[in-house]
Amino acid sequence: NAGVTQTPKFQVLKTGQSMTLQCAQDMNHNSMYWYRQDPGMGLRLIYYSASEGTTDKGEVPNGYNVSRLNKREFSLRLESAAPSQTSVYFCASSEALPGFEQFFGPGTRLTVL
Amino acid sequence: GQSLEQPSEVTAVEGAIVQINCTYQTSGFYGLSWYQQHDGGAPTFLSYNALDGLEETGRFSSFLSRSDSYGYLLLQELQMKDSASYFCAVRDQEAAGNKLTFGGGTRVLVKP
Repeated sequence: NAGVTQTPKFQVLKTGQSMTLQCAQDMNHNSMYWYRQDPGMGLRLIYYSASEGTTDKGEVPNGYNVSRLNKREFSLRLESAAPSQTSVYFCASSEALPGFEQFFGPGTRLTVL
Repeated sequence: GQSLEQPSEVTAVEGAIVQINCTYQTSGFYGLSWYQQHDGGAPTFLSYNALDGLEETGRFSSFLSRSDSYGYLLLQELQMKDSASYFCAVRDQEAAGNKLTFGGGTRVLVKP
């Protein structure tokens, strides 16, 4: 089992460019999440999907869109990248009940120039 | 909404004991989770407390007091590999799924 996979691992964009971060999990989890982590900071939730077919905003959704393509895949899109979106992006998945651990992917390190 | 407070940094020597406190304010409460993150790595789950008391898992223990809105993570017999950031997290009662709000993290530095 690969767990949670993310692509790409690194990306450099110019201001105004767009890109999609891909995430897939093979643990049959219902819920998936996208976080961003700025240097020396905690994890902030961008969007999440409690179950296939649903998506909801998290703490910092502005400038992002998401798609829950199927139960396995949850993508994050930056339509017009800004330097403030330079960060490390983590995808995670879990069962949809309290107390179950969230499993994180290895992260995507994004720099916007 | 939810908010969590934890110290930003703790330094200790190998073999010592470190306690990382976490106080939280939530509109509803299911339980307190702890995650570990090494530099450059992804967070990994350590523990979850839904009820008051101490849960022990090897060298790590986690404690919860629901009446005080307080918990802590206890790291015993510190090893160099325990140098990492530790995050407490609470589930959002009003959200579906297992949506978590994370604290800002405590960076633990273990010295020889």
